[in-house]
Amino acid sequence: EAQVTQNPRYLITVTGKKLTVTCSQNMNHEYMSWYRQDPGLGLRQIYYSMNVEVTDKGDVPEGYKVSRKEKRNFPLILESPSPNQTSLYFCASSFIGQGTYEQYFGPGTRLTVT
Amino acid sequence: KNQVEQSPQSLIILEGKNCTLQCNYTVSPFSNLRWYKQDTGRGPVSLTIMTFSENTKSNGRYTATLDADTKQSSLHITASQLSDSASYICVVTNMNYGGATNKLIFGTGTLLAVQP
Repeated sequence: EAQVTQNPRYLITVTGKKLTVTCSQNMNHEYMSWYRQDPGLGLRQIYYSMNVEVTDKGDVPEGYKVSRKEKRNFPLILESPSPNQTSLYFCASSFIGQGTYEQYFGPGTRLTVT
Repeated sequence: KNQVEQSPQSLIILEGKNCTLQCNYTVSPFSNLRWYKQDTGRGPVSLTIMTFSENTKSNGRYTATLDADTKQSSLHITASQLSDSASYICVVTNMNYGGATNKLIFGTGTLLAVQP
């Protein structure tokens, strides 16, 4: 089944404790992206990647890191989480280009930083 | 500024009734417009994608319209079911001529509740 998977689905952590949220897709998509979703706001892009070893900042990259060492994986790293990073996080992937490509979303990771 | 605005913010309808959700955008240059359905606690799932030249597209009981001149779109849901209860998100793609891919601009969504 074609899908985007994220782990963990739920995470409660404390301020300053490094964490990684994994994202994996099995559709051979070049493009992968991380979003956060907060009440009253639309999804906001954190980072995106257009291929292996190619990553770039989205609209809200502060406090986050990513890596793309393999085409299928795009982990999101919070080196020193803070309470304002409490949010619902989504990973997404798609084929790349100027065409109208479907973007597939993962199930989400709900992160709480205390 | 590239923006997508949706109305209403929330809506309650009775099962079996029809409803229409609105989306206005100021994104330019425009590539396409998408409607997503997001169930509570889950990732968005695509309903329709329309390019500049398309003014209507259907997916079962969902019908989206696009007026590129007025920069407005609507999503019409026919004969609503309890399973239609979700957030519906309008997303406009900002054409990026200089890059290899385009940028998605998300609306904040309309929360629909279908009651029996």
